[in-house]
Amino acid sequence: QQQVKQSPQSLIVQKGGISIINCAYENTAFDYFPWYQQFPGKGPALLIAIRPDVSEKKEGRFTISFNKSAKQFSLHIMDSQPGDSATYFCAASAPPGGTSYDKVIFGPGTSLSVIP
Amino acid sequence: DAGVTQSPTHLIKTRGQQVTLRCSPKSGHDTVSWYQQALGQGPQFIFQYYEEEERQRGNFPDRFSGHQFPNYSSELNVNALLLGDSALYLCASSLVTGSHEQYFGPGTRLTVT
Repeated sequence: QQQVKQSPQSLIVQKGGISIINCAYENTAFDYFPWYQQFPGKGPALLIAIRPDVSEKKEGRFTISFNKSAKQFSLHIMDSQPGDSATYFCAASAPPGGTSYDKVIFGPGTSLSVIP
Repeated sequence: DAGVTQSPTHLIKTRGQQVTLRCSPKSGHDTVSWYQQALGQGPQFIFQYYEEEERQRGNFPDRFSGHQFPNYSSELNVNALLLGDSALYLCASSLVTGSHEQYFGPGTRLTVT
């Protein structure tokens, strides 16, 4: 129940295309869903996050779509650029009172390559 | 405004030895969490410190221990190192009254031989 599933494991997209990464969770106590971007040799960087009271959040070229009933959420990267090539992690966290509070539970990651 | 800093950057230890990793949180943050990231995997939560106390713990053995100082900086100690402890160790800081947002440092790459 603590797992966050993520697919695909790897993704190759042409420059200018749309990159889509999907995640799913089981624990309905999760109330915060961040996405992290990680470059080789670096720590994960918070990209964008959403709470389950909204179905979509957009920041620049990055959009999170959230489906509470299906317990799924996804990251869309519009106009993908070679500089977006990195590993992307979806994650989830829960509010105070539960065993998952503030533990960020990460998915296994998606390696994105954007080719020119 | 300094972000999360960690030291050292890289470390090589021998099986059975002990190691201490250090973390300074982002300015204004009071909570520090530690994660272990094996090669090709997502980070795994080790534990979290707030007000110098361990507040949450993941599925890691007692060989992993930590400490938080009054200035909010933190240490991660690992005793009796195993080859499987080789990983990137990440520190993340946040505000206890904040919105769950955790900011990660660059990590310490630990290699156990």
